[in-house]
Amino acid sequence: SQTIHQWPATLVQPVGSPLSLECTVEGTSNPNLYWYRQAAGRGLQLLFYSVGIGQISSEVPQNLSASRPQDRQFILSSKKLLLSDSGFYLCAWSAGINEKLFFGSGTQLSVL
Amino acid sequence: RKEVEQDPGPFNVPEGATVAFNCTYSNSASQSFFWYRQDCRKEPKLLMSVYSSGNEDGRFTAQLNRASQYISLLIRDSKLSDSATYLCVAMDSSYKLIFGSGTRLLVRP
Repeated sequence: SQTIHQWPATLVQPVGSPLSLECTVEGTSNPNLYWYRQAAGRGLQLLFYSVGIGQISSEVPQNLSASRPQDRQFILSSKKLLLSDSGFYLCAWSAGINEKLFFGSGTQLSVL
Repeated sequence: RKEVEQDPGPFNVPEGATVAFNCTYSNSASQSFFWYRQDCRKEPKLLMSVYSSGNEDGRFTAQLNRASQYISLLIRDSKLSDSATYLCVAMDSSYKLIFGSGTRLLVRP
């Protein structure tokens, strides 16, 4: 069966520090991969999605970036965090566009 | 207009009650609809897909109304464990899945 792993679960970072969140999927090949952010009490905002290695689509202009160095690995990065980057970050995968999403357990990021 | 809109609630109901949520979507061409459940500080989990013919899974029933562009979720015989936020999902004009902001349900003893 397919599983998705995301880490770390919580992260506290100072403003201006770098960020790297990692997500891996097991049990499937060539998944579509996604990064979402959820601000407190708000809905999910799609940040990036990828349909294949090295293929990244950005949904929202910001100081975050994403990379997909391997088929089942998706990384969210920032060179310098802002206070507004705080939130709950969720990685997800699907078997195809418009198919149901399966989420990782999320990373609660607090930028102070 | 938001692409997917939900009443944020909270819906506060007693155990055993029947409760229904609606969700409206703006893309009339959407072919994919889902309901997710999200507990506080947890990831969303798929509750059910929504098919044109409607579908039922135990106490949960989902329906699609294309003419009025809304989907609904009905929960019968509410349990305390049903307390959560329910997220509606539809497809936008760029063929991506868009989440509503969620409807919060509180089931009281």
